Amino acid sequence: SQQGEEDPQALSIQEGENATMNCSYKTSINNLQWYRQNSGRGLVHLILIRSNEREKHSGRLRVTLDTSKKSSSLLITASRAADTASYFCATVYDQGAQKLVFGQGTRLTINP
Amino acid sequence: EAQVTQNPRYLITVTGKKLTVTCSQNMNHEYMSWYRQDPGLGLRQIYYSMNVEVTDKGDVPEGYKVSRKEKRNFPLILESPSPNQTSLYFCASRIYVSDTQYFGPGTRLTVL
Repeated sequence: SQQGEEDPQALSIQEGENATMNCSYKTSINNLQWYRQNSGRGLVHLILIRSNEREKHSGRLRVTLDTSKKSSSLLITASRAADTASYFCATVYDQGAQKLVFGQGTRLTINP
Repeated sequence: EAQVTQNPRYLITVTGKKLTVTCSQNMNHEYMSWYRQDPGLGLRQIYYSMNVEVTDKGDVPEGYKVSRKEKRNFPLILESPSPNQTSLYFCASRIYVSDTQYFGPGTRLTVL
């Protein structure tokens, strides 16, 4: 079964607004990662947050992690049309195999 | 340029005709893996390899084979493709001490 569940499944906002996506997971993790996928293309790593971290920033991205609630959020500030993509959270639950388990993603559309 | 390459990018074939999808990385990464992406199911791991000559099954290995004879290459082999293997396939790699995976551009496979 999939570890991460994203919410919402789809999000449409106006350019310049902030976009928030949430991810919940089921078991203890080592870290949680967010990836972006432009339509039909490969996934691009955005940011990684470790289980002992609560918040992390990278440019216009802000990720939070609440291990007590087994949830994470990705905030994209001042959205741009180029941010239109699907966003996936992924967790590592098997340290030996280092298998990333992905959620089904949030499809973000930024309207000009 | 550091990258993961896959070939072919698009392939239409018929049931039972053996095919190979190649994957190559130029980052000297030890770990490589294959995923398939299907609507409503997200990304699921097919096989992974921790290093040369070391491979193991992921979540959905049935109908697939892999080999890791060289560090840079990790081909995915479909000995007798079936229509349920129609999917978008991604190869990924990472250096062993890092959790971040680098993805190839994807191979869209259609089995008729």
